[in-house]
Amino acid sequence: QVQLQESGPGLVKPSGTLSLTCAVSGDSISSSNWWSWVRQPPGKGLEWIGEIYHSGITNYNPSLKSRVTISVDKSKNQFSLRLSSVTAADTAVYYCARGTLGSAYGSGSLDYWGQGTPVTVSS
Amino acid sequence: EIVLTQSPDFQSVTPKEKVTITCRASQSIGSSLHWYQQKPDQSPKLLIKYASQSISGVPSRFSGSGSGTDFTLTINSLEAEDAATYYCHQSSSLPITFGPGTKVDIK
Repeated sequence: QVQLQESGPGLVKPSGTLSLTCAVSGDSISSSNWWSWVRQPPGKGLEWIGEIYHSGITNYNPSLKSRVTISVDKSKNQFSLRLSSVTAADTAVYYCARGTLGSAYGSGSLDYWGQGTPVTVSS
Repeated sequence: EIVLTQSPDFQSVTPKEKVTITCRASQSIGSSLHWYQQKPDQSPKLLIKYASQSISGVPSRFSGSGSGTDFTLTINSLEAEDAATYYCHQSSSLPITFGPGTKVDIK
């Protein structure tokens, strides 16, 4: 059974950097899947942040691209998110998810999700 | 960017009733449309992939249809446990986008 588990600080100061890790079990990070980050502000809908393939290819949401870095650690079977220069607008529950192989350039459906981790941006 | 709109925003339904949720894309996305169910304080769960393909373990009362720009999620004979918010998601082109969600409440 594929499982994903997010971890990282629940509180980040404004202008700081949000760093989260997603540990994957039941599948190899080097399998033919994409590894994604999605966030959900309180009481709002889902926003795609970006995704990575084990080869290192990344796709980012243009609205966040200048601040986002997604990386993969094959030795630990995990992938990570860094979001810089955060503001209160970045307060959200952050989810990691597995994206099935959709096409040559990106994922298809998101078939496994982590439980989500809440991150608050506040001083 | 492909914009997804959903209707209705909210629906209050009695058990055993049929529920229909629509998702419209701002341009053609073929069948690259997926549906998720999210219950309060839970992560989203994949219900239907590629417009109409069923997912193992998902009750057969959930079905999807459509292609191009117009898609439908149908819940036949709604059960109390189906109270949730339902999202559509397109993977046809980057950036990936989600619909705003449809909240289904049980009367």
